[in-house]
Amino acid sequence: EAGVTQFPSHSVIEKGQTVTLRCDPISGHDNLYWYRRVMGKEIKFLLHFVKESKQDESGMPNNRFLAERTGGTYSTLKVQPAELEDSGVYFCASSLQGWDGYTFGSGTRLTVV
Amino acid sequence: AQSVTQPDIHITVSEGASLELRCNYSYGATPYLFWYVQSPGQGLQLLLKYFSGDTLVQGIKGFEAEFKRSQSSFNLRKPSVHWSDAAEYFCAVSKGTGGGNKLTFGTGTQLKVEL
Repeated sequence: EAGVTQFPSHSVIEKGQTVTLRCDPISGHDNLYWYRRVMGKEIKFLLHFVKESKQDESGMPNNRFLAERTGGTYSTLKVQPAELEDSGVYFCASSLQGWDGYTFGSGTRLTVV
Repeated sequence: AQSVTQPDIHITVSEGASLELRCNYSYGATPYLFWYVQSPGQGLQLLLKYFSGDTLVQGIKGFEAEFKRSQSSFNLRKPSVHWSDAAEYFCAVSKGTGGGNKLTFGTGTQLKVEL
C-alpha cells in the first residue's frame, strides 16, 4: 500500500509569505495528524483530524496556522503570514480507527528566511 | 501533563557493539510507549510499541525495549549494532484512544556508528 505522502519535501520562503503544505494519508485512514519539529527541539503535536473534522487542535501555535481536510481525504496546512520561528520539519501521520500506531510521512522541511 | 526524557542527545558506538538508548516518561497511569527511528531523508518509522502484557517487547530490525514501571523507563536495546542503524531515535508516549492517540515525544537521540 502507498504510504503517507507529503509535499513539498522542502520549502524556502520569505518572512511574511504564505506556504501551504499538503499531506495525503494512507487510503482509508480516518485519523490524520500534523506534528512539527523545530530545530533542536522535540516533535510536537499540532492537530488531529477524524475524517474531515478537527478532533483536537490544541497544539496549533497561533491563528497564522490553518489546517483543513477536505472530504476527509488529503489535508493541507497553511501558514500565513510565515514568521522565522515557523521554520522546522512538519510531519503528517495517519492511522485507522482504533489504535495501532501511526504511519508517518517523510516530512516537509520549511525554512523561513 | 505527560513528558518524555531522552537524556542522551548523541551516542556513538562501534559496529557490532551493543546499544542501549534511554527513555524516561512521566505519566500518571500506564501509558502507551513507542520507539520511532528516523533515517536521513526518511519519515519516522515505528520500531516497536508497548501497550500492555509482557514488559519485554520485540521490534523490527533486531531491536527490543523493556518497560519498567518502577523506573518509569522504556529503554531501547540492540545486542549488535550495524552501520545502517545510524539514525535518530525517538521515544514517545500516548494516553491511547482516551487521549485521541496524541503522541508526546522526547527530544531524540542521534546515533552514530563507527566502522
